[in-house]
Amino acid sequence: GAGVSQTPSNKVTEKGKYVELRCDPISGHTALYWYRQSLGQGPEFLIYFQGTGAADDSGLPNDRFFAVRPEGSVSTLKIQRTERGDSAVYLCASSLNSGGFNEQYFGPGTRLTVT
Amino acid sequence: AQSVTQPDIHITVSEGASLELRCNYSYGATPYLFWYVQSPGQGLQLLLKYFSGDTLVQGIKGFEAEFKRSQSSFNLRKPSVHWSDAAEYFCAVGAQGAQKLVFGQGTRLTINP
Repeated sequence: GAGVSQTPSNKVTEKGKYVELRCDPISGHTALYWYRQSLGQGPEFLIYFQGTGAADDSGLPNDRFFAVRPEGSVSTLKIQRTERGDSAVYLCASSLNSGGFNEQYFGPGTRLTVT
Repeated sequence: AQSVTQPDIHITVSEGASLELRCNYSYGATPYLFWYVQSPGQGLQLLLKYFSGDTLVQGIKGFEAEFKRSQSSFNLRKPSVHWSDAAEYFCAVGAQGAQKLVFGQGTRLTINP
């Protein structure tokens, strides 16, 4: 079946602009995660949704970052007033909520470049 | 809070040679442990995971890993590497009661022909 998809695959924006990154999870997966991977680093957790609600947003770096999942499927990560330090690959993952620790399936990521 | 250390940033091995990638974690309870592989332009693919039980776990592509509680380690091994194994490898830990993964900084594997 189809895996996790993310659009766009690449996004170049100017400092100060607003961007939206989209994630389509695997059909039927109730949990969705966002991670950020800076160059030469491992992914860092941003936020986790269970259904429509954010169950854990402890990784969001500041209030310029916001994510929604209004219908419990597609999610959008929104970044306001982008800064050059926001340049990274933004990864989305989804999982079933099977109890215990859920295996996460990752999308290919969106590479964000802030100039 | 949990953390993961991958001491080797870059490893080069010859094709057909054995491989061991090191991973050490910090977590007070029994962790959930994972190894992921990331090829250029690709998403993270799960190689194997340890939740409980047998401490030697088998994964895809001929990889295995051993959980050693006394050493807080979860090293990844493969008896004979193939050129297609060249990629970035990430060890990750998950905590009970939370669903987020904490990743190490990765080990880049280069294969010499």
